[in-house]
Amino acid sequence: DVKVTQSSRYLVKRTGEKVFLECVQDMDHENMFWYRQDPGLGLRLIYFSYDVKMKEKGDIPEGYSVSREKKERFSLILESASTNQTSMYLCASMTPYGLEDTDTQYFGPGTRLTVL
Amino acid sequence: LAKTTQPISMDSYEGQEVNITCSHNNIATNDYITWYQQFPSQGPRFIIQGYKTKVTNEVASLFIPADRKSSTLSLPRVSLSDTAVYYCLVVLSMDTGRRALTFGSGTRLQVQP
Repeated sequence: DVKVTQSSRYLVKRTGEKVFLECVQDMDHENMFWYRQDPGLGLRLIYFSYDVKMKEKGDIPEGYSVSREKKERFSLILESASTNQTSMYLCASMTPYGLEDTDTQYFGPGTRLTVL
Repeated sequence: LAKTTQPISMDSYEGQEVNITCSHNNIATNDYITWYQQFPSQGPRFIIQGYKTKVTNEVASLFIPADRKSSTLSLPRVSLSDTAVYYCLVVLSMDTGRRALTFGSGTRLQVQP
């Protein structure tokens, strides 16, 4: 059974703080993703990684960075948190898409981040 | 602009069949279409996946026409516990030539007793 875990379910930070959101998957998946989800806007891709130390920007990378030092772990970093980064953050993992029967993303439970 | 389109919301009653359509004009040639279900405060959960024609599992059916520019998730005989947001996920061919894994905006299904 695939498991994707996120370090916190709820997090409260202050404006200007550096914030780390951690994601770990146990399925040896190459691809990992970070999304944010806001009411009325659906899921928006921030960054994704297709291999260790590899990353690509998604649709809304501004204000974020990522780190993938090990295959099972993908971290999202808010260098200086701002109130407009208050959101639900979802991590997902997947085997490389385009292969038969493997275009399935497995999601973590999400981290609800509030920036005051 | 390559994107996916879903209805924002739908209402239904218990026992009815619900069909949710996602339009994806610029879908990439060789990739699957996947649908997810999301309950409040949880991550999206896989429901069904298909490439073309019809796929059925114990939860839902997925209808995909030959041109693959849309897909329809069909939930037979919905119950109150099917109240959730439903997302389609496709790989789109962007104008830049890049392929982009893209979620639809989600359809909020409300099932009434």
